[in-house]
Amino acid sequence: GENVEQHPSTLSVQEGDSAVIKCTYSDSASNYFPWYKQELGKGPQLIIDIRSNVGEKKDQRIAVTLNKTAKHFSLHITETQPEDSAVYFCAATFNDMRFGAGTRLTVKP
Amino acid sequence: DAMVIQNPRYQVTQFGKPVTLSCSQTLNHNVMYWYQQKSSQAPKLLFHYYDKDFNNEADTPDNFQSRRPNTSFCFLDIRSPGLGDAAMYLCATSRAGFTNEQFFGPGTRLTVL
Repeated sequence: GENVEQHPSTLSVQEGDSAVIKCTYSDSASNYFPWYKQELGKGPQLIIDIRSNVGEKKDQRIAVTLNKTAKHFSLHITETQPEDSAVYFCAATFNDMRFGAGTRLTVKP
Repeated sequence: DAMVIQNPRYQVTQFGKPVTLSCSQTLNHNVMYWYQQKSSQAPKLLFHYYDKDFNNEADTPDNFQSRRPNTSFCFLDIRSPGLGDAAMYLCATSRAGFTNEQFFGPGTRLTVL
């Protein structure tokens, strides 16, 4: 089955800096890669996703890149704000969905 | 607003006492999922329904069962909760299969005494 590794497990940045979270996956058949943000006491919420036929996708301050050959994808958050503080999960999907272990992002004012 | 609703938000049960968690959705999505999330871990898929078709993950314990009586509702039954079953249980829905956005409910935090 699919195995997703996510790094780093914790990330602390100053407000306004950029944050990058990286994931690798094992199953070359995976074709959909969502990123979820989970705030304390809430369910995960999709923030951006990318499909295997696309190399990069951007939505305002958030971007995701995908390297199918290397089987890795990354989340980039620019101009971070305190409200970006949360746990971020990557996932890789085909016939099921496997989450990475999560990254706790802290943005210091 | 269309949404995924979970009740109760907090559930306390005793060791071995059956408990049922419920989930409802107003999105009219075909697929409903149940995840278990333990502290500081990623959500782990327990099972999912594609319409009425039930799909059990291979490593989901037999102690966990699910029912989906109609499109809107899905239930998670834990027949004999153990201390290791204490966790957040998340319900999610998607329009179609795994390659579609999943919409999560707020979760039910289960405590086993």
